[in-house]
Amino acid sequence: GEDVEQSLFLSVREGDSSVINCTYTDSSSTYLYWYKQEPGAGLQLLTYIFSNMDMKQDQRLTVLLNKKDKHLSLRIADTQTGDSAIYFCAETPTGTASKLTFGTGTRLQVTL
Amino acid sequence: EPEVTQTPSHQVTQMGQEVILRCVPISNHLYFYWYRQILGQKVEFLVSFYNNEISEKSEIFDDQFSVERPDGSNFTLKIRSTKLEDSAMYFCAGAVGTASTDTQYFGPGTRLTVL
Repeated sequence: GEDVEQSLFLSVREGDSSVINCTYTDSSSTYLYWYKQEPGAGLQLLTYIFSNMDMKQDQRLTVLLNKKDKHLSLRIADTQTGDSAIYFCAETPTGTASKLTFGTGTRLQVTL
Repeated sequence: EPEVTQTPSHQVTQMGQEVILRCVPISNHLYFYWYRQILGQKVEFLVSFYNNEISEKSEIFDDQFSVERPDGSNFTLKIRSTKLEDSAMYFCAGAVGTASTDTQYFGPGTRLTVL
């Protein structure tokens, strides 16, 4: 079955860039997503990328996709304390567009 | 901006009791989902629901679980006889459609604690 893996924790200083990594196993993944979860809140969609793209940029967020290595990353430029949250990578395989498969989540801690 | 709401935010119950978790999806959504996250583990898909029927369910969603949309606004998840291992955060989500570009909007979750 599908599997999505992430490192559990990342600590960065305010103003630095953060890079959160994700690997997935399903070669038929069509869309890959990044969700953010703040304490006590639901999962907020940040961005997504099609599997036929290498990169997508959206303001401070840059998503890189290496389809050959099945590796996805989320770069947050100029990280702020408000970016402290858990970031989840998720994927949707071809033909099953409704079900999201999530990674374990990476807790991002931003220090002053 | 419209939001998905879930009640209660925290439910504590005794093992063997029935619980009903409630969700109010965004009004123009047609597809509905339940996911759960056991503490420290991944967010897992439970079930999807469309047109008053289950579209897909995972192996977690056994006959102790049921879903319904009784009145066209609420979407509920019922666990008939709770077990300790049902303790988790339960998330409701909704979407306009099922294309991969149709974003699933999540609620804040209900934390279920089974004692």
